[in-house]
Order: sequence, then C-alpha cells, then structure tokens
Amino acid sequence: KQEVTQIPAALSVPEGENLVLNCSFTDSAIYNLQWFRQDPGKGLTSLLLIQSSQREQTSGRLNASLDKSSGRSTLYIAASQPGDSATYLCAVLGSSNTGKLIFGQGTTLQVKP
Amino acid sequence: GAGVSQSPSNKVTEKGKDVELRCDPISGHTALYWYRQRLGQGLEFLIYFQGNSAPDKSGLPSDRFSAERTGESVSTLTIQRTQQEDSAVYLCASSLGSGGNEQFFGPGTRLTVL
Repeated sequence: KQEVTQIPAALSVPEGENLVLNCSFTDSAIYNLQWFRQDPGKGLTSLLLIQSSQREQTSGRLNASLDKSSGRSTLYIAASQPGDSATYLCAVLGSSNTGKLIFGQGTTLQVKP
Repeated sequence: GAGVSQSPSNKVTEKGKDVELRCDPISGHTALYWYRQRLGQGLEFLIYFQGNSAPDKSGLPSDRFSAERTGESVSTLTIQRTQQEDSAVYLCASSLGSGGNEQFFGPGTRLTVL
C-alpha cells in the first residue's frame, strides 16, 4: 500500500530565504507526482506535475525534483515571500493509473516579513 | 476559463440527515474525482469517474456514501444518515482524459454534522 510522507510538518522562515520541502513515498511504481498548494479554507492549486520519466519541473521560483528509485521528491522555493505562506501537499499517482492520488499530510509554511 | 465549482460551500446538518454535495467540473474534462479531508488529516480518495466507464468506488468509506455523474458533467455525492465522523471538507477535482493528467480542484464543501 502506497504511503506518502512529508517532512517537516511545519516550517517558519524569514522572507527571502530559499527552502526545501520533502516528500517521500514507499512504492516507487508511480505514474506521476504532483505538488499542490492549499490556502486556509480554500481548495488545492496545482503547482507542478512530474511524470515518472522526468527528473524535475520548474515554474518561476519553484523547482520540483523526483528520484523515483529512492522514493523521494523535493520542492524548492527560491527567495521566499510572505505570499508563499500556505500548506504544500504532494500526491502520487500509482503506475496502474487508476486516477487515485495518494496524498501526504502536507507541510505548513509560514514566511515572515 | 471557469474552474471546478462546488456547492454548497458550507453545509451544517444534524446527525442522521441525508446531504447532497454538487460538483461542476471544468468543461471538457472527462475524469472527475471526489476526495475528503478531515480536520488534521490528509486528503482521502473517495471515488473516480472516467467517461462512460464504471466508476472506481474503492475509496467510499461505507454504503452510506454514493455518487452519481451525469454524462461528463455534473456530479453529486450523497451521504445518507450522516454521522459526526463524516464532518470534513469534500473536494472535487477534474482532469482531461485519464487519471494521469493534472487534476484541478474545486474550493470544496465544508460539511459539519452536529
């Protein structure tokens, strides 16, 4: 059974700092991995999707990497801003591609001005 | 263009009552998903519709939960005889084609069972 873990559960950094969020998964047979952002009381916003054949994806100040064999992904946020404060979720789709995303518990990020 | 919409945004009900939650996917998205997020917990998959195929109901927690989808449009999630442990945010997502495509989420329905 696939399990997804995110560390740390919470993180507080000063504005301008670069930071890394970690996601690990127990079954390396994945179809893709997706990073989301969730703001309080809101739904999820998709940030980056990495296919199993890819190593990384970039969007603006965000870079996500994937090491499928070791069951790990990282989300790198450069030059953090207070507006980046949110909960970041990673989710994996199994290789059978059934549509079910398995989510981690999330990392709650606070960027202090 | 319009994203995934859900209604109501909030629902408070009494234990034992039935509730119906609605999801309008992005136009043209053939796949639709329901997830649940209980307080302090991660998102749990509930059910997945893909086109005219039989839905994947493997995540539904009990037979009190059911979902329908009309063609490739609106979906409703029904919870019968609600219990307090059903209190959660119910999120709907849709995607183009098969499940391997990026999923786009709605704002969710916050259900509170008193």
